[in-house]
Amino acid sequence: EVQLLESGGGLVQPGGSLRLSCAASGFTFSSYVMCWVRQAPGKGPECVSSITGDSIYTYYADSVKGRFTISRDNSKNTLFLEMNNLRVDDTAIYYCARRGSNYAFDYWGQGTLVSVSS
Amino acid sequence: EIVLTQSPGTLSLSPGERATLSCRASQSINNNYLAWYQQKPGQPPRLLIHGASSRATGIPDRFSGSGSGTDFTLTVSRLEPEDFAMYYCQHYGYSPLYTFGQGTKVEIK
Repeated sequence: EVQLLESGGGLVQPGGSLRLSCAASGFTFSSYVMCWVRQAPGKGPECVSSITGDSIYTYYADSVKGRFTISRDNSKNTLFLEMNNLRVDDTAIYYCARRGSNYAFDYWGQGTLVSVSS
Repeated sequence: EIVLTQSPGTLSLSPGERATLSCRASQSINNNYLAWYQQKPGQPPRLLIHGASSRATGIPDRFSGSGSGTDFTLTVSRLEPEDFAMYYCQHYGYSPLYTFGQGTKVEIK
């Protein structure tokens, strides 16, 4: 059974930093593109960053470019998102999602809440 | 930049009725890269349809997707109580790499 379990969210002040983790199990982690998808309260989802299985290619949405860094450790089946210089509008639930071969997100974690507030 | 516009914003229907949800792209897109998701409160999105018309694993056949070019449709043939939820379309493209629509809420009338 595919499982994705996020951790690392919390309350942080504007300008602060957080590191999110996503522990994956039930599939060959290194074979899949993984994405961090966030959803602000009452808004639609937004994929803010993705990474290929071999870590060669990464993608960042314009809204986070230069502030967030995605990485993965295939030996530990874990995905990471380093978030720096956080802003109030980064407040959201952050989901870890697997991108299937059909280019859609076929498995999602339950999410971790990031709140940025003074 | 591709923008996905979903309509209507809210659809008020009764169980057993047919739901027709629209997703319009700002420019023509590849059908292979259009997906639909269902999301219930407090849960992550669930993949329903990929490649515009292929049901994901375990999705009931009352859900169907169609369309091409700029106009795509998700149809729920007969609404079950558990189908009342938010629905999003999503595209895999170039810049941005992933785009979601703003969603359609299907609520009980």
